[in-house]
Amino acid sequence: EVQLVESGGGLIQPGGSLRLSCAASGFTFSSNYMSWVRLPPGKGLEWVSVINSGGTTYYADSVRGRFTISRDNSKNMLYLQMNSLRVEDTAIYYCARGGAVTMVSQNWGQGTLVTVSS
Amino acid sequence: EIVLTQSPGTLSLSPGEGATLSCRASQSVSSSYLAWYQQKPGQAPRLLIYGASSRATGIPDRFSGSGSGTDFTLTISRLEPEDFAVYYCQHYDSSPITFGQGTRLEI
Repeated sequence: EVQLVESGGGLIQPGGSLRLSCAASGFTFSSNYMSWVRLPPGKGLEWVSVINSGGTTYYADSVRGRFTISRDNSKNMLYLQMNSLRVEDTAIYYCARGGAVTMVSQNWGQGTLVTVSS
Repeated sequence: EIVLTQSPGTLSLSPGEGATLSCRASQSVSSSYLAWYQQKPGQAPRLLIYGASSRATGIPDRFSGSGSGTDFTLTISRLEPEDFAVYYCQHYDSSPITFGQGTRLEI
């Protein structure tokens, strides 16, 4: 059974940093695209970033230069380092498993809440 | 960036009825890379349809997807009480991946 468990969310002041983690199990982690998607309060889903099996990364314009996605295939872990956080980054952050060839999000974690507020 | 516009914003129907949700793209999307997701309050999104028309594992056959180019449709026949949720379309062929703004399906 595929499992994705996010952690690391919390309350942080504007300008601060936070690192989210996603522990993956039940599939060959190293072979899949992995993504972060967020759900701001009262809004719709927003794609944040994706990393492929080879480590190539892509970002939404709203987070490029502030967020860094990475993976540790030896530990089946996905990360999102978030710097220079803004109030508008407040959201539930989901980790999602993509395919081996495509970026469609087949499985999702339960999410971790990030609140940016002074 | 491909902008996806979903309509209607809210759809009010009753169990047993059929639903048709639309997703229009600002430029042509390869039909191999258009997906639909369902999200209920307090839950993670769930993949329903990928490749515009292929049902994901475990998705009932009352859910079907169609379309190509810039116009895509999610059809739900015979609505069940558990189908009332928010539905999002997404293109995933290239970065930036984008989602539509969502359609809320309510009773």
